[in-house]
Amino acid sequence: GAGVSQSPSNKVTEKGKDVELRCDPISGHTALYWYRQSLGQGLEFLIYFQGNSAPDKSGLPSDRFSAERTGGSVSTLTIQRTQQEDSAVYLCASSFGQGYGYTFGSGTRLTVV
Amino acid sequence: KQEVTQIPAALSVPEGENLVLNCSFTDSAIYNLQWFRQDPGKGLTSLLLIQSSQREQTSGRLNASLDKSSGRSTLYIAASQPGDSATYLCAAVYGGFKTIFGAGTRLFVKA
Repeated sequence: GAGVSQSPSNKVTEKGKDVELRCDPISGHTALYWYRQSLGQGLEFLIYFQGNSAPDKSGLPSDRFSAERTGGSVSTLTIQRTQQEDSAVYLCASSFGQGYGYTFGSGTRLTVV
Repeated sequence: KQEVTQIPAALSVPEGENLVLNCSFTDSAIYNLQWFRQDPGKGLTSLLLIQSSQREQTSGRLNASLDKSSGRSTLYIAASQPGDSATYLCAAVYGGFKTIFGAGTRLFVKA
């Protein structure tokens, strides 16, 4: 596609429920990143994928968070047993690789009530 | 520790004024540095990307400079307009795709 697509754009869920956030990167981009931005805060790195290499999961805040990238393209970020502190905007970005700039999606605004 | 600091945190200027946003990074071994714009409730829009071997990049009324040795980058906005009102973030990219984002400068341009 022309840009990075994220869905849903907004998600309201009850505390304790699981949620899945989807990211469609730009075709041909080998690198894919997930970030989290809480209200008024900067970007918090969560995870990145590069080609077929093992993902860098060092930013995932707890074992309730997981992500996968199927076929080197679409990625899904899953949050299990959501908590109110998980409320944030989840941003996905993709890139051709090192030395190239990032392109971000519009984000998914997650609200846990 | 690799950190990126942006100064000022917020800035309000009258329309037409030229302005400079500052970004400093503690580890000068960057691969490249990227400036983004973020509108309220939106994702990030890339403005300029400067490779570590470059000194500056220009796009329209925007000019970004990079001084690796001093760990600094500046974003110059000429003839500011109300539509430039947004949060501007810089990001220092290191090897292994490690990227550190600044907290941003919130810009308000008054008509």
